[in-house]
Parts: sequence; C-alpha cells; structure tokens
Amino acid sequence: NAGVTQTPKFQVLKTGQSMTLQCAQDMNHNSMYWYRQDPGMGLRLIYYSASEGTTDKGEVPNGYNVSRLNKREFSLRLESAAPSQTSVYFCASKKGQGGYEQYFGPGTRLTVT
Amino acid sequence: DAKTTQPNSMESNEEEPVHLPCNHSTISGTDYIHWYRQLPSQGPEYVIHGLTSNVNNRMASLAIAEDRKSSTLILHRATLRDAAVYYCILRDEKGGTSYGKLTFGQGTILTVHP
Repeated sequence: NAGVTQTPKFQVLKTGQSMTLQCAQDMNHNSMYWYRQDPGMGLRLIYYSASEGTTDKGEVPNGYNVSRLNKREFSLRLESAAPSQTSVYFCASKKGQGGYEQYFGPGTRLTVT
Repeated sequence: DAKTTQPNSMESNEEEPVHLPCNHSTISGTDYIHWYRQLPSQGPEYVIHGLTSNVNNRMASLAIAEDRKSSTLILHRATLRDAAVYYCILRDEKGGTSYGKLTFGQGTILTVHP
C-alpha cells in the first residue's frame, strides 16, 4: 500500500509556464483534495472532489484547474504559473461518507520565478 | 467553519507528558474536533478526533471539556519524533455536507528537548 503518491517532488517554473501536478491513491477512497501551504502557514484548500466525477472549489481556487481522472487519480493544473503560486502542494484522500481520517501525500514543492 | 485558537508554540522534555490546548468557543453541536500533526517536510497526518467524550488511541488522548468550548490533546510520553506542528480543526459533519474539508489554522509548534 503506497497510500497517496504525488509527482513531481520538486518543480521550478518560469512565470507563464503551465504544468500539471499528479496525485494518486490506492486506498479505494472516494474523496480527494488539493491543498497549498505557504511558508509558516497552515494548509489552504484549493479544490476537492467528493466522489468520482465531481469537483468543487475550495478556499483558494483562482489560477488552478483540476481533473478527477478516475477514482484513483486527481490532478491539479496551473495554466499560467505566477510567483504567487510558489508553495508546497499537498494532495489528500478520504474514504468518503463516514470516514474521518484524511491521508496526505508527501507534497510537491513548486517554485515560480 | 468555527474558529480554533491554539498557542503558537510549546516546549516539552522527552518522556514527559504534553498537554496541547485548543479553544473553540463558537463550536456547534455537529462540529467534530480533529487533531492533525505535521512533521518537518512532510504532509499532515491524522492524530485523533472526537465529538463529546474523551477519546484514546495508540498515538494520543483527546480530552474534551464538558461545554465543548475547549479541548486538550495529550501525548503521554513525548519523544523526539513528536516534534511537529499540531493542528486543532473543527469539522461540521452534519449531513455530510462538509465533504471532509479541513480548515487549517497556524497550529502549535511543539519542540521536544532530549
């Protein structure tokens, strides 16, 4: 059981470039989430997917898009990266209704110059 | 979501108990109290959660005040590996409408001295 995996671990982008952060879970969880964490701050929710086929905005969705490709995979896309998007990005998953524990991936450290 | 208030930092010695407080005076009847921790350079990990009664698991204990306006995470014997940021989070479970969204504050930085 790998749990929640994220790729890449590190990425440096120039302003205006695009990229997709990948996330996969092997726990058969229904719900998946993308958070960002800026230095010295708690995590903030970007987007979430309560179940396969649905996605919803979180607290800070501007500048991002998501795709719930299937039950296992939830990707986060930056169409035109900006320095303000420099952050550590965490993906998480949860069983769904009745499940309380959220499982987090190791994070992707993104720098936009 | 109701707000929580935690001290910015706390210190402990190894093998001593640690009591991490959390105030949540505006908690609603359907808010569960969740604790997560984040070790350096890692994603957060679940520690414990509760609604009204005190809870124990292999990692910690959660003591909830009778009026639910505060709670305390108890680590019975701190180890160096327990040095982390601890987050106290309220999550409304009514009707499942929260979809598990967690709202993180800044948490408490716990330092454990050898």
